[in-house]
Amino acid sequence: DVKVTQSSRYLVKRTGEKVFLECVQDMDHENMFWYRQDPGLGLRLIYFSYDVKMKEKGDIPEGYSVSREKKERFSLILESASTNQTSMYLCASSLSTGNSPLHFGNGTRLTVT
Amino acid sequence: GQSLEQPSEVTAVEGAIVQINCTYQTSGFYGLSWYQQHDGGAPTFLSYNALDGLEETGRFSSFLSRSDSYGYLLLQELQMKDSASYFCAVRDRGKAAGNKLTFGGGTRVLVKP
Repeated sequence: DVKVTQSSRYLVKRTGEKVFLECVQDMDHENMFWYRQDPGLGLRLIYFSYDVKMKEKGDIPEGYSVSREKKERFSLILESASTNQTSMYLCASSLSTGNSPLHFGNGTRLTVT
Repeated sequence: GQSLEQPSEVTAVEGAIVQINCTYQTSGFYGLSWYQQHDGGAPTFLSYNALDGLEETGRFSSFLSRSDSYGYLLLQELQMKDSASYFCAVRDRGKAAGNKLTFGGGTRVLVKP
């Protein structure tokens, strides 16, 4: 079974702090994704990566950056956390073939105060 | 860009049939997926339709009409464990070999005894 592990289940940070969310997958998947989930808005794509050191902006990249130094690890960085970044963050991975499903981690609930 | 519309909530009794509709507007379309998410859990893949017609997987079926930009997920013989949120998602052909997904807002299904 594919396992996508997010380092923290709950995180509380202060406004202006730099925040790192870590995600690791164990199935040698090429693609990795960061989504945020808010009630009524579904899942919105922040950034994705289709290879090591490669990254592409999603629909809502403002205020975020990412890093993929190794194939199995994809990090989401909030350079200066703000209260409107309080959300559930979901990491996912998939094979690169066309209709391969996304495998999600259990999410990190981030609260910025 | 992409946008998807689905109802926010559906309530039904055990044993009933529920149909969750999804209409989409996309700049390019390469398939419609469905994901299930229980409260506190990770979204999990249910089905994928690239061509018109009905795909059946046990009690769940998914339908697509590309000419109408419309699809639905059919849940039959509802069970209490089917209480969850269901998301439709469209596949976009990006550099991630087409696995970049845009999600709808989700439909919360509540199954009552």
